[in-house]
Parts: sequence; structure tokens; C-alpha cells
Amino acid sequence: DGGITQSPKYLFRKEGQNVTLSCEQNLNHDAMYWYRQDPGQGLRLIYYSQIVNDFQKGDIAEGYSVSREKKESFPLTVTSAQKNPTAFYLCASSIVGTPYGYTFGSGTRLTVV
Amino acid sequence: AQKITQTQPGMFVQEKEAVTLDCTYDTSDPSYGLFWYKQPSSGEMIFLIYQGSYDQQNATEGRYSLNFQKARKSANLVISASQLGDSAMYFCAMRETIGGKLIFGQGTELSVKP
Repeated sequence: DGGITQSPKYLFRKEGQNVTLSCEQNLNHDAMYWYRQDPGQGLRLIYYSQIVNDFQKGDIAEGYSVSREKKESFPLTVTSAQKNPTAFYLCASSIVGTPYGYTFGSGTRLTVV
Repeated sequence: AQKITQTQPGMFVQEKEAVTLDCTYDTSDPSYGLFWYKQPSSGEMIFLIYQGSYDQQNATEGRYSLNFQKARKSANLVISASQLGDSAMYFCAMRETIGGKLIFGQGTELSVKP
């Protein structure tokens, strides 16, 4: 079955460490996105990519980095520069140029300890 | 700039009754899509319903319907015959056709009482 896989489901990080969240899709979607969700709040866009080897900053990109070396994969690195990284992270993908919505992964819950 | 507003942080509804979740939006793009997603406590985002800006009729999907009032820029979700399993966060979202980014409102937490 086609879909988006995020791993791990739960992640714990010590302060000062970088950590990478995985996102893989087999839907043949061109575009991929990373969102951050804080408790009781909506989703905020971190980074997005509409084509391999290209990506753009979203609304809250500071302290994060991404790469898009393959169409299927869009990993997110939470760097030590991100001051408050504890949150729920959702990856999504979509077809470019259509008004239709996204397919979401099941999310990664990151906690700084 | 596009914006989505959900003014109801929390709502209660009695089981088997209907409930309306409010959503207003702002965009200068004449072509856009409006969406509602359900997020249970597990965190997954479940697509519920879609309305295109040029669609003449309100969208319906089973017990979900979208009350689309273009002139008022509102896209309210109506859930009929509420069930206990409807208890969740509900997000309204909008996507401009050009650019394609999906932006979300703050969400409404719906609690269905038995």
C-alpha cells in the first residue's frame, strides 16, 4: 500500500544534540513538507520541497535543516540551534499543481531531556 | 497573505446531535481549495472533506458536509449524528493552487458526550 512512513514514532534528545527525523513516501508525489505542532495548536510549516535537490523555508525554519536527494525521502534535522524543539512533527506529501490535499505520515514526537 | 481562522478552541456536543465547527479564511487567489482534517489523540491527520473555490455545490462526505459561503469567506464543517468516536481535534486548512502550501487554522477540540 502506498503511504508515508515517519520514523521513529518517539524520539528523545539531549540538549545540544542534533537529531534527524525520517520521512519516506512511495506515492510518487513530487512535493514533501514538514510541519511542527505544539500542544493545542495548529500546524506550522518548517520546510517544503517541490522537486528533488530543491527546498524552501517555511514559516519557522530557524534551527532546522532538510535535504531532498531522492524523490521518496525528505529527512528533517533538528539542530542544536533550535531553542525549543520539543513538539510533534508531521511529514506530508502532495502532487504539485493540483488543489488537492496532502497525505500525512503518522508523526514523530520529539522530546528534549 | 492567506490566513485561516478557527474561533472555537473547544466544543461540546451530545451524542447523535449535529454540530457546526466554524472556519473563516482570507486569500487573494481566486483558485483555492478548502479542507477539513480530523486529528485523534494518536496524532494522525485524517482527511475528511474538500471544497474547491469554483465548486457550485457544498461538498458532502457521509456525515460530514461543508457549508461553503464564498462571499463571506467561510467554510464551516457540519457533522451530523455525532458519535463518541468523533471526539478529536478538527483543523480547517486552505491550499492555493499556485504554490501549493497547505496552511492550517488553530483547530477546534470537539468532545462528544454520551
